Amino acid sequence: DQQVKQNSPSLSVQEGRISILNCDYTNSMFDYFLWYKKYPAEGPTFLISISSIKDKNEDGRFTVFLNKSAKHLSLHIVPSQPGDSAVYFCAARLTGNQFYFGTGTSLTVIP
Amino acid sequence: DAMVIQNPRYQVTQFGKPVTLSCSQTLNHNVMYWYQQKSSQAPKLLFHYYDKDFNNEADTPDNFQSRRPNTSFCFLDIRSPGLGDAAMYLCATSRDTLAGYRTDTQYFGPGTRLTVL
Repeated sequence: DQQVKQNSPSLSVQEGRISILNCDYTNSMFDYFLWYKKYPAEGPTFLISISSIKDKNEDGRFTVFLNKSAKHLSLHIVPSQPGDSAVYFCAARLTGNQFYFGTGTSLTVIP
Repeated sequence: DAMVIQNPRYQVTQFGKPVTLSCSQTLNHNVMYWYQQKSSQAPKLLFHYYDKDFNNEADTPDNFQSRRPNTSFCFLDIRSPGLGDAAMYLCATSRDTLAGYRTDTQYFGPGTRLTVL
Protein backbone atom coordinates (compact mmCIF):
# COMPACT_ATOMS: atom_id res chain seq x y z
CA ASP A 1 0.00 0.00 0.00
CA GLN A 2 1.74 3.10 -1.29
CA GLN A 3 1.68 5.78 1.40
CA VAL A 4 3.61 8.32 -0.67
CA LYS A 5 2.57 8.88 -4.25
CA GLN A 6 4.05 10.78 -7.13
CA ASN A 7 1.47 10.56 -9.87
CA SER A 8 3.52 12.16 -12.63
CA PRO A 9 6.24 9.81 -13.87
CA SER A 10 7.78 12.53 -16.00
CA LEU A 11 7.86 16.27 -16.54
CA SER A 12 9.46 18.44 -19.23
CA VAL A 13 10.16 22.13 -18.70
CA GLN A 14 11.93 24.81 -20.68
CA GLU A 15 15.13 26.20 -19.22
CA GLY A 16 14.43 29.30 -17.12
CA ARG A 17 10.84 28.33 -16.39
CA ILE A 18 9.41 26.95 -13.18
CA SER A 19 9.35 23.21 -12.50
CA ILE A 20 6.65 21.98 -10.13
CA LEU A 21 6.84 18.43 -8.85
CA ASN A 22 3.98 17.07 -6.82
CA CYS A 23 3.64 14.47 -4.10
CA ASP A 24 0.65 13.15 -2.15
CA TYR A 25 0.62 11.12 1.01
CA THR A 26 -1.94 9.23 3.02
CA ASN A 27 -0.50 8.89 6.53
CA SER A 28 -1.22 11.89 8.76
CA MET A 29 1.46 10.67 11.19
CA PHE A 30 4.32 11.62 8.89
CA ASP A 31 6.34 14.30 10.67
CA TYR A 32 8.98 15.15 8.10
CA PHE A 33 9.07 15.33 4.32
CA LEU A 34 12.06 15.27 2.04
CA TRP A 35 12.97 15.57 -1.59
CA TYR A 36 15.83 13.64 -3.12
CA LYS A 37 17.42 14.00 -6.50
CA LYS A 38 18.87 11.06 -8.37
CA TYR A 39 21.16 10.99 -11.38
CA PRO A 40 21.66 7.76 -13.36
CA ALA A 41 24.10 5.30 -11.79
CA GLU A 42 24.13 7.25 -8.53
CA GLY A 43 22.23 6.97 -5.29
CA PRO A 44 19.63 9.58 -4.33
CA THR A 45 21.02 12.77 -2.83
CA PHE A 46 19.19 14.95 -0.37
CA LEU A 47 17.80 18.17 -1.80
CA ILE A 48 15.44 19.90 0.62
CA SER A 49 13.10 19.03 3.46
CA ILE A 50 10.22 20.40 5.50
CA SER A 51 8.88 19.67 8.93
CA SER A 52 5.19 18.92 9.29
CA ILE A 53 4.80 22.01 11.46
CA LYS A 54 5.77 24.31 8.60
CA ASP A 55 4.14 25.06 5.28
CA LYS A 56 7.11 26.35 3.31
CA ASN A 57 10.85 25.93 3.18
CA GLU A 58 13.13 27.66 0.73
CA ASP A 59 16.72 27.00 -0.27
CA GLY A 60 18.01 28.99 -3.20
CA ARG A 61 16.14 27.96 -6.33
CA PHE A 62 14.27 25.22 -4.49
CA THR A 63 11.12 25.70 -2.45
CA VAL A 64 9.00 23.01 -0.88
CA PHE A 65 5.38 23.68 0.04
CA LEU A 66 3.35 21.53 2.40
CA ASN A 67 -0.44 21.49 2.54
CA LYS A 68 -1.30 19.24 5.47
CA SER A 69 -5.04 19.46 5.06
CA ALA A 70 -4.70 18.18 1.50
CA LYS A 71 -1.84 15.81 2.40
CA HIS A 72 0.09 17.28 -0.47
CA LEU A 73 3.55 18.69 -0.96
CA SER A 74 5.24 20.19 -3.95
CA LEU A 75 8.75 21.11 -5.00
CA HIS A 76 9.26 24.28 -7.02
CA ILE A 77 12.45 24.88 -8.94
CA VAL A 78 12.90 28.41 -10.23
CA PRO A 79 14.53 29.00 -12.62
CA SER A 80 14.99 25.51 -13.98
CA GLN A 81 18.39 24.63 -15.39
CA PRO A 82 19.49 21.75 -17.63
CA GLY A 83 21.55 20.36 -14.73
CA ASP A 84 18.33 19.90 -12.80
CA SER A 85 17.38 17.08 -15.16
CA ALA A 86 17.15 14.03 -12.90
CA VAL A 87 14.67 11.81 -11.11
CA TYR A 88 13.14 13.44 -8.04
CA PHE A 89 11.86 11.35 -5.17
CA CYS A 90 9.51 12.52 -2.49
CA ALA A 91 9.92 10.84 0.89
CA ALA A 92 8.15 11.00 4.24
CA ARG A 93 9.24 10.00 7.70
CA LEU A 94 7.38 8.44 10.55
CA THR A 95 8.70 9.30 13.99
CA GLY A 96 11.87 7.34 14.32
CA ASN A 97 13.75 5.93 11.40
CA GLN A 98 11.07 4.78 8.96
CA PHE A 99 11.12 6.48 5.60
CA TYR A 100 8.63 5.98 2.79
CA PHE A 101 9.41 6.98 -0.77
CA GLY A 102 7.36 7.84 -3.82
CA THR A 103 8.02 6.28 -7.22
CA GLY A 104 9.82 9.35 -8.52
CA THR A 105 9.30 11.95 -11.24
CA SER A 106 11.77 12.23 -14.07
CA LEU A 107 12.39 15.91 -14.81
CA THR A 108 13.83 17.01 -18.13
CA VAL A 109 14.85 20.64 -18.50
CA ILE A 110 15.08 21.55 -22.15
CA PRO A 111 17.79 24.10 -23.05
CA ASP B 1 35.27 11.36 -1.24
CA ALA B 2 33.02 8.36 -1.19
CA MET B 3 30.95 8.33 1.98
CA VAL B 4 28.67 5.35 1.47
CA ILE B 5 30.20 2.58 -0.56
CA GLN B 6 28.39 -0.41 -1.92
CA ASN B 7 30.07 -3.48 -3.31
CA PRO B 8 29.69 -4.87 -5.79
CA ARG B 9 27.87 -2.42 -8.04
CA TYR B 10 26.49 -5.29 -10.11
CA GLN B 11 25.85 -8.77 -8.81
CA VAL B 12 24.63 -11.76 -10.74
CA THR B 13 23.48 -14.83 -8.88
CA GLN B 14 21.61 -17.99 -9.65
CA PHE B 15 18.14 -18.83 -8.49
CA GLY B 16 18.38 -20.15 -4.95
CA LYS B 17 22.09 -19.41 -4.51
CA PRO B 18 22.80 -17.28 -1.43
CA VAL B 19 24.22 -13.86 -2.08
CA THR B 20 25.63 -11.10 0.15
CA LEU B 21 25.70 -7.42 -0.64
CA SER B 22 27.91 -5.10 1.35
CA CYS B 23 27.79 -1.50 2.43
CA SER B 24 30.38 0.58 4.23
CA GLN B 25 30.36 4.17 5.41
CA THR B 26 32.94 6.72 6.45
CA LEU B 27 30.44 9.06 8.11
CA ASN B 28 30.30 7.33 11.49
CA HIS B 29 26.51 7.48 11.35
CA ASN B 30 24.74 5.26 13.80
CA VAL B 31 21.75 4.45 11.60
CA MET B 32 22.06 2.31 8.48
CA TYR B 33 19.27 1.30 6.11
CA TRP B 34 18.69 -1.18 3.32
CA TYR B 35 16.19 -0.39 0.59
CA GLN B 36 14.98 -2.48 -2.32
CA GLN B 37 14.01 -0.66 -5.49
CA LYS B 38 12.43 -2.51 -8.39
CA SER B 39 12.10 -0.98 -11.81
CA SER B 40 9.78 2.06 -11.87
CA GLN B 41 8.89 1.53 -8.22
CA ALA B 42 9.63 3.45 -5.06
CA PRO B 43 12.58 2.48 -2.90
CA LYS B 44 11.16 0.22 -0.22
CA LEU B 45 12.69 0.05 3.23
CA LEU B 46 13.64 -3.51 4.14
CA PHE B 47 15.18 -2.89 7.56
CA HIS B 48 17.44 -0.56 9.42
CA TYR B 49 19.97 -0.66 12.21
CA TYR B 50 19.99 1.82 15.03
CA ASP B 51 23.50 1.13 16.27
CA LYS B 52 23.33 -2.63 16.76
CA ASP B 53 19.58 -2.72 17.19
CA PHE B 54 17.96 -4.37 14.19
CA ASN B 55 14.57 -3.10 13.03
CA ASN B 56 12.80 -5.22 10.47
CA GLU B 57 9.89 -3.89 8.42
CA ALA B 58 6.81 -6.03 8.91
CA ASP B 59 6.53 -7.03 5.26
CA THR B 60 10.19 -7.81 4.63
CA PRO B 61 10.44 -11.47 3.61
CA ASP B 62 12.34 -13.86 5.87
CA ASN B 63 14.59 -14.57 2.90
CA PHE B 64 16.29 -11.26 3.62
CA GLN B 65 18.67 -10.97 6.54
CA SER B 66 21.17 -8.38 7.63
CA ARG B 67 24.31 -8.14 9.71
CA ARG B 68 26.10 -5.15 11.11
CA PRO B 69 29.38 -6.25 12.65
CA ASN B 70 30.49 -2.69 13.43
CA THR B 71 29.50 0.95 12.86
CA SER B 72 31.08 1.10 9.42
CA PHE B 73 29.78 -2.03 7.76
CA CYS B 74 26.40 -3.51 7.04
CA PHE B 75 25.55 -6.59 4.97
CA LEU B 76 22.42 -7.73 3.21
CA ASP B 77 22.11 -11.50 2.91
CA ILE B 78 19.57 -13.04 0.56
CA ARG B 79 19.38 -16.67 1.55
CA SER B 80 17.60 -18.09 -1.48
CA PRO B 81 17.17 -15.49 -4.18
CA GLY B 82 14.15 -15.78 -6.39
CA LEU B 83 13.52 -14.12 -9.74
CA GLY B 84 11.37 -11.57 -7.94
CA ASP B 85 14.33 -10.41 -5.87
CA ALA B 86 16.07 -8.91 -8.89
CA ALA B 87 16.28 -5.23 -8.07
CA MET B 88 18.51 -2.33 -7.11
CA TYR B 89 19.53 -2.50 -3.46
CA LEU B 90 20.32 0.82 -1.85
CA CYS B 91 22.18 1.34 1.40
CA ALA B 92 21.81 4.59 3.29
CA THR B 93 22.99 6.11 6.54
CA SER B 94 21.83 8.89 8.80
CA ARG B 95 22.39 10.29 12.24
CA ASP B 96 20.07 9.27 14.99
CA THR B 97 16.71 10.92 14.39
CA LEU B 98 15.81 10.83 18.06
CA ALA B 99 18.76 12.74 19.43
CA GLY B 100 18.19 16.16 17.95
CA TYR B 101 20.58 15.83 15.06
CA ARG B 102 19.46 17.06 11.69
CA THR B 103 17.23 14.37 10.34
CA ASP B 104 16.94 15.62 6.84
CA THR B 105 19.97 13.93 5.41
CA GLN B 106 20.11 10.29 4.48
CA TYR B 107 23.28 9.56 2.59
CA PHE B 108 22.80 6.92 -0.05
CA GLY B 109 25.29 4.66 -1.71
CA PRO B 110 25.20 4.16 -5.47
CA GLY B 111 23.36 0.88 -5.11
CA THR B 112 23.97 -2.71 -6.12
CA ARG B 113 21.97 -4.04 -9.03
CA LEU B 114 21.14 -7.68 -8.45
CA THR B 115 20.33 -9.99 -11.33
CA VAL B 116 18.92 -13.45 -10.62
CA LEU B 117 19.31 -16.04 -13.35
